[in-house]
Amino acid sequence: RKEVEQDPGPFNVPEGATVAFNCTYSNSASQSFFWYRQDCRKEPKLLMSVYSSGNEDGRFTAQLNRASQYISLLIRDSKLSDSATYLCVVSPFRSGTYKYIFGTGTRLKVLA
Amino acid sequence: DTGVSQDPRHKITKRGQNVTFRCDPISEHNRLYWYRQTLGQGPEFLTYFQNEAQLEKSRLLSDRFSAERPKGSFSTLEIQRTEQGDSAMYLCATYGRGRLETQYFGPGTRLLVL
Repeated sequence: RKEVEQDPGPFNVPEGATVAFNCTYSNSASQSFFWYRQDCRKEPKLLMSVYSSGNEDGRFTAQLNRASQYISLLIRDSKLSDSATYLCVVSPFRSGTYKYIFGTGTRLKVLA
Repeated sequence: DTGVSQDPRHKITKRGQNVTFRCDPISEHNRLYWYRQTLGQGPEFLTYFQNEAQLEKSRLLSDRFSAERPKGSFSTLEIQRTEQGDSAMYLCATYGRGRLETQYFGPGTRLLVL
């Protein structure tokens, strides 16, 4: 089983739609969780961290469910510019390691 | 622009040649990571440094790969005797307390092995 799993998509949605992505992780000791955005042929860029209490940044909401070991990203009122690959990132932060494990990414295409 | 720079941005080489990539981190960031990314995949962890100490290496990193960070500042990643399967984007990231405490990526070096 992969350490971090995402549905690769693509998710094709019309402008204005609400879309949600899930990501599951296998290491229950994982401490930190993030969503990154990656545009085609560019480097990943941090979108938001994911906190236990959930957090919101404008149209974006991230949530963490430790019991079920998944994190989610909700995008409301999607824009054409939201088209990108969304990467789920988990850091085990076990004693002595500061690795970050990336999922394969979920492709989103917002259609006019 | 995150402040992390990589050089070169593109490299085309013939199979069997050696290549070296450089990463210049944000100056106050003491952790530096190398990743490899192929089409349709997320970045795969290769190795990371805390200052000049290489603390962890992935099993993906064969004996042909070596990374250094001699003074705890810039880092180099060398691939010896390149193979076609080494063709990928090589990403460097540094960790620090920017807008958020997380990794900040450089633009990557795209390697094509012919």
